[in-house]
Amino acid sequence: AQSVTQLDSQVPVFEEAPVELRCNYSSSVSVYLFWYVQYPNQGLQLLLKYLSGSTLVKGINGFEAEFNKSQTSFHLRKPSVHISDTAEYFCAVTTYEGSQGNLIFGKGTKLSVKP
Amino acid sequence: GAGVSQSPSNKVTEKGKDVELRCDPISGHTALYWYRQSLGQGLEFLIYFQGNSAPDKSGLPSDRFSAERTGGSVSTLTIQRTQQEDSAVYLCASSLIFGYEQYFGPGTRLTVT
Repeated sequence: AQSVTQLDSQVPVFEEAPVELRCNYSSSVSVYLFWYVQYPNQGLQLLLKYLSGSTLVKGINGFEAEFNKSQTSFHLRKPSVHISDTAEYFCAVTTYEGSQGNLIFGKGTKLSVKP
Repeated sequence: GAGVSQSPSNKVTEKGKDVELRCDPISGHTALYWYRQSLGQGLEFLIYFQGNSAPDKSGLPSDRFSAERTGGSVSTLTIQRTQQEDSAVYLCASSLIFGYEQYFGPGTRLTVT
């Protein structure tokens, strides 16, 4: 079985500062990893994904994440945040191997960007 | 193009009533997923469809929950005899084929009073 741990439930940061949202996963098989963002009263929007290949993945809105197999991590980073980045961010994993292909989500990290 | 749509966006119902939640996936997407998002449980997977078939229903919380998909398109999640613990946001997602990234709808917020 897979699991995802998002180490920080809330991350406050000032506008234009860098941010890192941490995500660790557990799995006995190869995984595919995703970051989704949820703005208030909206559904989930895909930020970026790691399926294979380069371990540094770039997504929308200037976000990037690095897959680290040895540390079983997939941390999300942005070098300079904006007020509009205030939202909840979810890390998710799936395997697509003998599974239902459903996503296993972390508990989420609320990013609060202050002026 | 049009994304995943869900209706209603909000539903308030009395305990014991039945409710139906609808999901319209992105056109051409063959896989469809239902999730539930609640404060206590986070995001939970409920069920998925490949075409009209749901191979495994073990993610559904109880036998009060059922889902169907017709014509390889629209899906309906039905909750019978609703309970207060059913209050949550129900999210639907679709993907082009099974195993591709999932695109989510805006959700249906269900409140059971």
